[in-house]
Amino acid sequence: DAGVTQSPTHLIKTRGQQVTLRCSPKSGHDTVSWYQQALGQGPQFIFQYYEEEERQRGNFPDRFSGHQFPNYSSELNVNALLLGDSALYLCASSLGAHDFTDTQYFGPGTRLTVL
Amino acid sequence: KNQVEQSPQSLIILEGKNCTLQCNYTVSPFSNLRWYKQDTGRGPVSLTIMTFSENTKSNGRYTATLDADTKQSSLHITASQLSDSASYICVVSAPPGDYKLSFGAGTTVTVRA
Repeated sequence: DAGVTQSPTHLIKTRGQQVTLRCSPKSGHDTVSWYQQALGQGPQFIFQYYEEEERQRGNFPDRFSGHQFPNYSSELNVNALLLGDSALYLCASSLGAHDFTDTQYFGPGTRLTVL
Repeated sequence: KNQVEQSPQSLIILEGKNCTLQCNYTVSPFSNLRWYKQDTGRGPVSLTIMTFSENTKSNGRYTATLDADTKQSSLHITASQLSDSASYICVVSAPPGDYKLSFGAGTTVTVRA
């Protein structure tokens, strides 16, 4: 039973570029959430995808966008990269909203460095 | 201001000793409070989940407590092991219909032999 996988593991970009990060949820999960974790900080909620739609969004600009595919995998896109976008990007999967005690399973993250 | 505050920011303990981490939150109302363990460079792993009506939840050597009246939670680690060295993050979930999780900054625990 595969857990949450993310790709790539590390990425280096320059300011102004665009980046796409990918996430495959744990088998059987249909909901994907994305988080940004700056060094020494807790993760910050970016958005959540359920049934191929963005269900909720955190306080992130429109430069951050996403997509969820029919197989429940997801992409996070960041346009016009800024130095401050350098962080660990975490993907977490869960099973819908059927139980508000649902456990979110996190992937290993993608380390993005913007130069 | 972060809605979830954790203390201490970091601590060092000797192998075999116990320690307690604190979490204060202002998220209200809330659905549940979670504790995660995050090893360096890895994603967080869930340790416990407590609803607002639960006072305590254990997972092996980890015991979490919750006082919904004072909006405080603690995570107690018993008989620490070297593998307990990690960041421990307190996470508060908003009520059903709000899917956002609010994370604390974490407490970094270092266990030394």
